[in-house]
Amino acid sequence: GQQLNQSPQSMFIQEGEDVSMNCTSSSIFNTWLWYKQDPGEGPVLLIALYKAGELTSNGRLTAQFGITRKDSFLNISASIPSDVGIYFCAGQVNQGGKLIFGQGTELSVKP
Amino acid sequence: DTAVSQTPKYLVTQMGNDKSIKCEQNLGHDTMYWYKQDSKKFLKIMFSYNNKELIINETVPNRFSPKSPDKAHLNLHINSLELGDSAVYFCASSQLTALNYGYTFGSGTRLTVV
Repeated sequence: GQQLNQSPQSMFIQEGEDVSMNCTSSSIFNTWLWYKQDPGEGPVLLIALYKAGELTSNGRLTAQFGITRKDSFLNISASIPSDVGIYFCAGQVNQGGKLIFGQGTELSVKP
Repeated sequence: DTAVSQTPKYLVTQMGNDKSIKCEQNLGHDTMYWYKQDSKKFLKIMFSYNNKELIINETVPNRFSPKSPDKAHLNLHINSLELGDSAVYFCASSQLTALNYGYTFGSGTRLTVV
C-alpha cells in the first residue's frame, strides 16, 4: 500500500534554532498536509498544500509541496518551547480518499 | 464548543469484553473517520463514512463495527477485545465537497485492554 517516509524520527534542538523535516513517498499525492499533535490531544492541521510546487506559510511555519508530487517539507523558524510535539505529514490522492500519515517527527525544544 | 468530541477519553477493560466509543461532530461535515494510533504513534485509517454510508473499510478485524446513525455521529463498537486492541482511537471529520481537504480530529480515546 501507499506509505510515507518521514524524517527525522526525532529532533532535540535549542530554543531559537530553525527546524526542518520532510516526507517522501514512492507514489504521487495530490494534497499534502502537515499536522501537529500535542500530548493527550488529536492532530491539529497546520498547513495544507494543494498544488505541486506550492510554498505556504503559517506564521513561523513554512511548507512546500514537492514538484514531483512525491515529497513535502516543513520548516519551523526560531523555535520556541511550545513547538514541542509530534509533527505528522499526511498525503491524499483524491478528494474523499483516505489520508495517509507519515511516522511522525517528535520535536523537543530546550529553553 | 468542541468541534469533534469523543467519549470516553479513557477506557480500561478486560480481554473478551465488548465496548463502544462514541463520536460526534458539530461542524456540519459530511464525512467521518476512525483512525487507530499505535504505541509508536503511527496513525492508520480504519473506517470512513460519508452521509451515513461506509466508503472506506481498511483491513480491520470484523470484531470492529462502525455505526453512523446520522452524519454528525460515528460510533465504534468492538467485540471480544484483545490485548492488541490497546491503542488510542481518533475520530475525525471533513467536508468532502470543500476545497480544504483537511480533517478535524477529536482528542482521542485511549483504550487499554488488560
